[in-house]
Order: sequence, then C-alpha cells, then structure tokens
Amino acid sequence: DGGITQSPKYLFRKEGQNVTLSCEQNLNHDAMYWYRQDPGQGLRLIYYSQIVNDFQKGDIAEGYSVSREKKESFPLTVTSAQKNPTAFYLCASSLRDRGLGGYTFGSGTRLTVV
Amino acid sequence: GQQVMQIPQYQHVQEGEDFTTYCNSSTTLSNIQWYKQRPGGHPVFLIQLVKSGEVKKQKRLTFQFGEAKKNSSLHITATQTTDVGTYFCAGFGAAGNKLTFGGGTRVLVKP
Repeated sequence: DGGITQSPKYLFRKEGQNVTLSCEQNLNHDAMYWYRQDPGQGLRLIYYSQIVNDFQKGDIAEGYSVSREKKESFPLTVTSAQKNPTAFYLCASSLRDRGLGGYTFGSGTRLTVV
Repeated sequence: GQQVMQIPQYQHVQEGEDFTTYCNSSTTLSNIQWYKQRPGGHPVFLIQLVKSGEVKKQKRLTFQFGEAKKNSSLHITATQTTDVGTYFCAGFGAAGNKLTFGGGTRVLVKP
C-alpha cells in the first residue's frame, strides 16, 4: 500500500542536542512538507520541497534544516538553535500541481526535549 | 502573506444537532481543502473545492466554496460521536505553491 512513514513515533532528547526526524513516502509525489503542531493549535509550515535537491523555507524555518536528496525522502533536523523544539511534527506529501488531490500526512513524530 | 482564519475555534454540539464551521482567506484562492484530525491522530484529507460557488457533499458533510473564492464552509448534519475531532480548512493561493492552514475548529459532541 502507498503511504508516508514517519519515524520514530516518539522521541526524547536532551536540550542542546540535534535530532533528525525521518519521513519516507512511496506515493511518487514530487512535493513534500514539514509542519509543526503545538497542543490545541493549527499547523505551521517549517520547510517544503517541490522537487529533488530543492527546498524552501516556510513560516517557521529558524532552528530547523532539511535535505531532499531522493524523491522518496525528506528528513528534518531539529537543531540546538530551535528555542522551543517540543512539539508534534507532521510530514506530508502531494502532487506538485497546487496540491490537487490533497496532502497525505504521516502519523507524526512527538518530540520531547528535556 | 496569505492568512486563513477559521471560526469558531471550538464547537460543542449535542448529538443529533447540526453545525457549521467557517473559513476565510485574506486572498483569493485557487482551491480550498478540508482535513479532519481525530484526537491523537494526524490530518486526513476530506475534500477539495476548486470552482467558484462549488458545493460538494459527503454523506452528512456539505462543503461550499464562496463565489469570490475567498471563503468556505463545512456543514455537518445530525452530528454523531464519530464526528469528534478538529476540522481544518487549507487554502492554496492563486499565485502560491503551498497550502496555508487555518487554525481549525475543534468539535466536541455531547451524547
């Protein structure tokens, strides 16, 4: 079955450490996205990529980095520069043309920094 | 930049009643999408509206896209406990290349 996989589901890290969240899709989608969701809040865009080897900053990119070396993969690194990294992180993918057909989301990674 | 606002933020509904949630964009949209997120889950795509004035139905859910393509609504009839969750609208700007999500309407159903 086609889908989008995020791992791990839960992640605990010490303050000051970098951590990388995995996102893999087998939907043959060109576009991929990373969102952050805080409790009771909406989705805020961190980074997005329309094509391999290219990505753009979203609304809250500071303290995060991404790479897009393969069409299927779009890992997100939460760096020590991110001041409040504890959150629910969602990866999504879509067709490139105006997101037609909707975004497919992964099940998310809950990151807790202690 | 483009902003998408949703009202109400919370909706407490008696089981069996109807309710509507509204979505407004600061700019004209090429399409609008609706998602549902169950508690503890991830957003799931429900529907997409593209044409001005478009109305689409999914069982008890009715979605509408405004004539000016700047607003949308979701109407749920005969609410059930399975409708519990947060409903997000998300707009794709006419000149944009990404969705902008509204803050969501969190729906709680009283049995």
